[in-house]
Amino acid sequence: NAGVTQTPKFRVLKTGQSMTLLCAQDMNHEYMYWYRQDPGMGLRLIHYSVGEGTTAKGEVPDGYNVSRLKKQNFLLGLESAAPSQTSVYFCASVAGTEAFFGQGTRLTVV
Amino acid sequence: GQQLNQSPQSMFIQEGEDVSMNCTSSSIFNTWLWYKQDPGEGPVLLIALYKAGELTSNGRLTAQFGITRKDSFLNISASIPSDVGIYFCVSSNTGKLIFGQGTTLQVKP
Repeated sequence: NAGVTQTPKFRVLKTGQSMTLLCAQDMNHEYMYWYRQDPGMGLRLIHYSVGEGTTAKGEVPDGYNVSRLKKQNFLLGLESAAPSQTSVYFCASVAGTEAFFGQGTRLTVV
Repeated sequence: GQQLNQSPQSMFIQEGEDVSMNCTSSSIFNTWLWYKQDPGEGPVLLIALYKAGELTSNGRLTAQFGITRKDSFLNISASIPSDVGIYFCVSSNTGKLIFGQGTTLQVKP
């Protein structure tokens, strides 16, 4: 979806390293979400934001932090990466009940 | 937490066959959504349902919002190879979108 852009698309980290995933949307949506997708488990909500300056925990928030300093950007941080955080991460921007997803970030922690 | 139980987990069918999948929950929801994820892409909305008993179609896809508000099903008629992907039921509660585990569909030409 052209309206939601995730960077980077791929990344390999060593255990203990930190990194930030960036999600940018140009649709002026208030709600933004970060999910992780693991085989057989669907998409699980990590953190979400209902507007600029606000964040809230989702289903699996441990090991992650987020910030929403600007309405169009939602950042997901890993302070000390662990192999259990190997996953595909999706950002979504939501209008009403329709979510627009980015193309995902494939993260491998070795 | 709230869970959506989706079945079957996977399906392998012949092109031209009809497909049916469903989603159940122990909780009542006011919205049921069906998304499709193509390989290497993010999920995309197929159908949205907002009323108990509602039956909605989108081309060869038909979805229904269960009367009890605890379930929904999705049917695909006359499947084609591009129907391949993962189908998710999704519901919404207090601003959070909750995903089922997904049904992986493979279509044999």
